[in-house]
Amino acid sequence: EIVLTQSPGTLSLSPGERAALSCRASQSVNSNYLAWYQQKPGQAPRLLIYAASSRATGIPDRFSGSGSGTDFTLTISRLEPEDFAVYHCQQYVSSPWTFGQGTKVEIK
Amino acid sequence: QAQLVQSGAEVKKPGASVKVSCKASGYTFTVNYVYWVRQAPGQGLEWMGWVDPNTGRTNYAQKFQGRVTMTRDTSISTGYMELSSLRSDDTAVYYCARRATADSGFVTWGQGTLVTVSS
Repeated sequence: EIVLTQSPGTLSLSPGERAALSCRASQSVNSNYLAWYQQKPGQAPRLLIYAASSRATGIPDRFSGSGSGTDFTLTISRLEPEDFAVYHCQQYVSSPWTFGQGTKVEIK
Repeated sequence: QAQLVQSGAEVKKPGASVKVSCKASGYTFTVNYVYWVRQAPGQGLEWMGWVDPNTGRTNYAQKFQGRVTMTRDTSISTGYMELSSLRSDDTAVYYCARRATADSGFVTWGQGTLVTVSS
């Protein structure tokens, strides 16, 4: 099973600042089948990025994904008030598909 | 536009079973697998498995093997997830989800169904 470790656990930033979230895999994620999701309290997750760097439909271009192999990053170029939420990474190349434990982006 | 609508919240006693439904609309139900993911209170997301609505074929996470059954009814475009021998640590929000293409993540999610296991 591929274990995904997200860091940091919590990121305290102000609106307008840049956020960089890390997701590290215990084994290589072939084909870069790595996705990022945003989740707000009481809501289902929303797909932001798939295949490591492709933005899902309707996702603003301030969200970008990068990385390959075992190291992946989600970057939010300038935080908007609605971006404060929990972010999850997920690999979908190897069964069982696994998620990271999440990074909470909170208002400083 | 594609949508998944799940059944309502459930309260079950330990040892019982629960069956959650997921009704699809806005796309051809048999084209995309139905996936199931759960989230315990304050915890991360956990992938449970999938059912192929076209063939009925399933793939379950080993953790749930023997306790979970995923099925579908193509006549009403609905997928089901049944979990048996419930324990208190099965208390969670259960989501169904769908991928649009082979290389995408879960692009469509149900609203979630809270299952509470308590004596």
